[in-house]
Amino acid sequence: QVQLVQSGAEVKKPGASVKVSCKTSGYTFTTYSISWVRQAPGQGLEWMGRISAYNGNTNYAQKLQDRVTMTTDTSTSTAYMELRSLRSDDTAVYYCARILTGYYSLDYWGQGTLVTVSS
Amino acid sequence: EIVLTQSPGTLSLSPGERATLSCRASQSVSSTFLAWYQLKPGQAPRLLIYGASSRATGIPDRFSGSGSGTDFTLTISRLEPEDFAVYYCQQFGSSFWTFGLGTKVEIK
Repeated sequence: QVQLVQSGAEVKKPGASVKVSCKTSGYTFTTYSISWVRQAPGQGLEWMGRISAYNGNTNYAQKLQDRVTMTTDTSTSTAYMELRSLRSDDTAVYYCARILTGYYSLDYWGQGTLVTVSS
Repeated sequence: EIVLTQSPGTLSLSPGERATLSCRASQSVSSTFLAWYQLKPGQAPRLLIYGASSRATGIPDRFSGSGSGTDFTLTISRLEPEDFAVYYCQQFGSSFWTFGLGTKVEIK
């Protein structure tokens, strides 16, 4: 069965960086793209960007493009999201999700990773 | 950027009632790229509907999606206790995804 398992919760200080991992299984990693979505406390879902696991091509949300980098490791079927220059409003649950080919919906999701930014 | 406006913000209904949720886009959206998700506290989002009207794997048939162009609807025909949650619509266009702000379906 398809599974996306994310790394554990992180606490970071303002200005630091965080790197969240998303290990996939149950499907051929390189045949799907991965998207990252976050949800701040009490807020809705915010799309952050996506990466093709086939060729590494990325698209980032405009408001984050200067601070975010998404990568993949095909040898371990793992996707990564790094966010730099963290601010308090980056405190959120971060999700990875598989992109349903042809429909650009997010059909399988990781369990979420809470990132807390606090001094 | 396409903005998705969901209404109402909160829907107060009783189990067994019908829920109708609206998602309006600021410009025309391809039906192929319109989806609905359910989100419960402490859980990951769950894909309900993709391609505006296709149910995702394992989704009960009381959930249905419809619409085209700028107006889309998610209908829950008879609310079950487990359906009380927040629902988001999402669209894809020009290599970018956007979500609506959500509709909370709460127990009346």
